[in-house]
Amino acid sequence: QQPVQSPQAVILREGEDAVINCSSSKALYSVHWYRQKHGEAPVFLMILLKGGEQKGHEKISASFNEKKQQSSLYLTASQLSYSGTYFCGAGNTGTASKLTFGTGTRLQVTL
Amino acid sequence: EAQVTQNPRYLITVTGKKLTVTCSQNMNHEYMSWYRQDPGLGLRQIYYSMNVEVTDKGDVPEGYKVSRKEKRNFPLILESPSPNQTSLYFCASRTGTGGLGQPQHFGDGTRLSIL
Repeated sequence: QQPVQSPQAVILREGEDAVINCSSSKALYSVHWYRQKHGEAPVFLMILLKGGEQKGHEKISASFNEKKQQSSLYLTASQLSYSGTYFCGAGNTGTASKLTFGTGTRLQVTL
Repeated sequence: EAQVTQNPRYLITVTGKKLTVTCSQNMNHEYMSWYRQDPGLGLRQIYYSMNVEVTDKGDVPEGYKVSRKEKRNFPLILESPSPNQTSLYFCASRTGTGGLGQPQHFGDGTRLSIL
């Protein structure tokens, strides 16, 4: 079963912040975050492993709550280049090789 | 340059005409996978391979075949394509070490239209 992402879409003005959530119905071992520009391949942002760690990548960071089986992606002071569709990939415990992607969150940053 | 290469990038074909989409990676990755992407459905896994001669079904394997005879190549075969297989296809690879703790590298995608 695919993880659920929310919101499905969001429009921001440049400089605003956003949070994208990813929730799994199964126990999580890892969560991957990718960004995809229209017509291009998904690009890796970061991976979080179970343990509740938080990671950062420029002005983009993420958290992982193992107990709640959730991850959140934080985009701070958004830039036009942040526009795209964000996917979380759930690596569920017990499935050593399988990454199940959510349906995506479409983010548009405007001037 | 480390990359995953898919061919063709675009293909329009007709129902029932066998086709193969090739995928090759130059990173010596053990793990390779095929996904299809449809509007509103995200990326869904078709098949994956943990290593040479080791393949397994993903979430939507019906109508597809794969093979892994060499480590670098993982072709996707549609023996009798149907219109519901019209989609955007991505091949991805990652190192086997560390399993789900390793990022996947995606190819540029193959846009397939079956009439």
